[in-house]
Amino acid sequence: DQQVKQNSPSLSVQEGRISILNCDYTNSMFDYFLWYKKYPAEGPTFLISISSIKDKNEDGRFTVFLNKSAKHLSLHIVPSQPGDSAVYFCAVSGNTGKLIFGQGTTLQVKP
Amino acid sequence: ETGVTQSPTHLIKTRGQQVTLRCSSQSGHNTVSWYQQALGQGPQFIFQYYREEENGRGNFPPRFSGLQFPNYSSELNVNALELDDSALYLCASSLGGLAGEYEQYFGPGTRLTVT
Repeated sequence: DQQVKQNSPSLSVQEGRISILNCDYTNSMFDYFLWYKKYPAEGPTFLISISSIKDKNEDGRFTVFLNKSAKHLSLHIVPSQPGDSAVYFCAVSGNTGKLIFGQGTTLQVKP
Repeated sequence: ETGVTQSPTHLIKTRGQQVTLRCSSQSGHNTVSWYQQALGQGPQFIFQYYREEENGRGNFPPRFSGLQFPNYSSELNVNALELDDSALYLCASSLGGLAGEYEQYFGPGTRLTVT
């Protein structure tokens, strides 16, 4: 039973445009929501997070939106750059410190 | 400040054998978590250690075990290897034990192949 789902395995956008990555979760008890980026042959790198008491968090080109009623999380990257091409994982956490990951979305940003 | 390191990078084992994977936490971090990432999937939580004690476990059988040492480095041991254990094994270090809001910093992983 998948608690965190990323329904788009891949996404391709043009350099300079917006990338929107989506994530759905099933359990309303999760407290923290995170996005990780992963390049080949490297471990996941923390990108941005949001707690359940907020609905938006911004860090430079990256913004995470949380819609608790819809149990939906999204990551916006504006403007997208070729170096953003990677696999993006959303992850959720309760008060256990355990991260539950989605399956990942491969983002390709074309020059 | 050194990041999270893991050894070895790659490993090939035969079904039924035992394996030990190692992880060195980021400086100052007292918590380490281990994850298994199968091909095409997201990482799955195996267990977490906080100050040398197991502090949470995912849906993995007892043949997956671990240790955390006083310097907060860690080992993952897998006994009686099965073909399905072939995966990328990631460790992640963080502060704060069970607190979910602390960022977890991942190592590059160990690629285990079981034949």
